[in-house]
Amino acid sequence: AQSVAQPEDQVNVAEGNPLTVKCTYSVSGNPYLFWYVQYPNRGLQFLLKYITGDNLVKGSYGFEAEFNKSQTSFHLKKPSALVSDSALYFCAVRTRSNDYKLSFGAGTTVTVRA
Amino acid sequence: GAGVSQSPSNKVTEKGKDVELRCDPISGHTALYWYRQSLGQGLEFLIYFQGNSAPDKSGLPSDRFSAERTGGSVSTLTIQRTQQEDSAVYLCASSLGPSPDTQYFGPGTRLTVL
Repeated sequence: AQSVAQPEDQVNVAEGNPLTVKCTYSVSGNPYLFWYVQYPNRGLQFLLKYITGDNLVKGSYGFEAEFNKSQTSFHLKKPSALVSDSALYFCAVRTRSNDYKLSFGAGTTVTVRA
Repeated sequence: GAGVSQSPSNKVTEKGKDVELRCDPISGHTALYWYRQSLGQGLEFLIYFQGNSAPDKSGLPSDRFSAERTGGSVSTLTIQRTQQEDSAVYLCASSLGPSPDTQYFGPGTRLTVL
């Protein structure tokens, strides 16, 4: 079975400060890891993914994430948060043996205050 | 280019009625997925299509739920004899193939069962 945990329901940061959204996963086999963002009344927007290769992945809107196999983590980061980054963030995982079904975390609500 | 589109955007129905939800994937995408997003259950996988075939229907919650895809393109999710617990946002996604290709999501259909 594959699963994802997002240990924080909410993250609050001031604009201009670093933003981190945590994600840990549990899979058998090599994981494919994804981050999506959801704005109110909108679908999920793809931010970035890790498939293989460099552990640091850069994505849209200045976001990046680091794959850490030993800690089974894939935390999302942004060096300087913007008010417009306020949204719901989802981490998701797939595996080579189950390479179509995304398993999502519960989501983390990010609020960036001006 | 055009993204995944879904219709209707909102659907209010009475308990016991049947509903059909439609998804138009990105042109050329062979894989199509349905997910459900609800407050209590988070994001759940429902069904996956590769072409017109559905190799995995394991996520469909009951036999009241069915889906089809025709011409390798449009998909319809049908819920018969709707119940209040079916109220959720139904999200459709598509990808070029079933490998680690990114799934791109539509805006969703918000279903409310009264």
